[in-house]
Amino acid sequence: DPKIIQKPKYLVAVTGSEKILICEQYLGHNAMYWYRQSAKKPLEFMFSYSYQKLMDNQTASSRFQPQSSKKNHLDLQITALKPDDSATYFCASSYRGREQYFGPGTRLTVL
Amino acid sequence: AQSVDQPDAHVTLYEGASLELRCSYSYSAAPYLFWYVQYPGQSLQFLLKYITGDAVVKGTKGFEAEFRKSNSSFNLKKSPAHWSDSAKYFCALEGWGGADRLTFGKGTQLIIQP
Repeated sequence: DPKIIQKPKYLVAVTGSEKILICEQYLGHNAMYWYRQSAKKPLEFMFSYSYQKLMDNQTASSRFQPQSSKKNHLDLQITALKPDDSATYFCASSYRGREQYFGPGTRLTVL
Repeated sequence: AQSVDQPDAHVTLYEGASLELRCSYSYSAAPYLFWYVQYPGQSLQFLLKYITGDAVVKGTKGFEAEFRKSNSSFNLKKSPAHWSDSAKYFCALEGWGGADRLTFGKGTQLIIQP
């Protein structure tokens, strides 16, 4: 059974729209993260949460907003989508600073 | 600032050869270092990590890596290589007090020919 679930697997959106990427982990980890991987840039760290609190934010744009409704959930809301937002978004989790485990990713295409 | 450099975008070897993927880092203090592997169309899988202690660390799938403080390197090794090792490999650094943020290199695409 998958331990980190990301939904949806593929997402196509129109420029200017808003989407929410879902991430749930069943590893009992306290920390969760979002990373982005695109053809133009290497894997980029976006956010980290620990015990549902924002720890680190490397995303300059406020269009990207993480949301943690439960301790094992960390969703990513993206507003006013742009074609440059097209990428695969990976959720990851870890326990008390140990190695991070990555989810399968959501591949977002913005037209 | 912290950074990771993987100077070889592509490496091609024959099956049975020894592989060594290069990684160098820049960080002002002692880093935590990681290697991850990504197979086509898949997510990243953890291979191994260096935190402290022995310079050579062993990981999954028969891989090991050597930490060299003298030249700020953390190269990944395996012998012999198998065709199933063909994938993209990422070196990553986690700095102290960085709230576990991983900084990745650009990755090395490894192709093992039969």
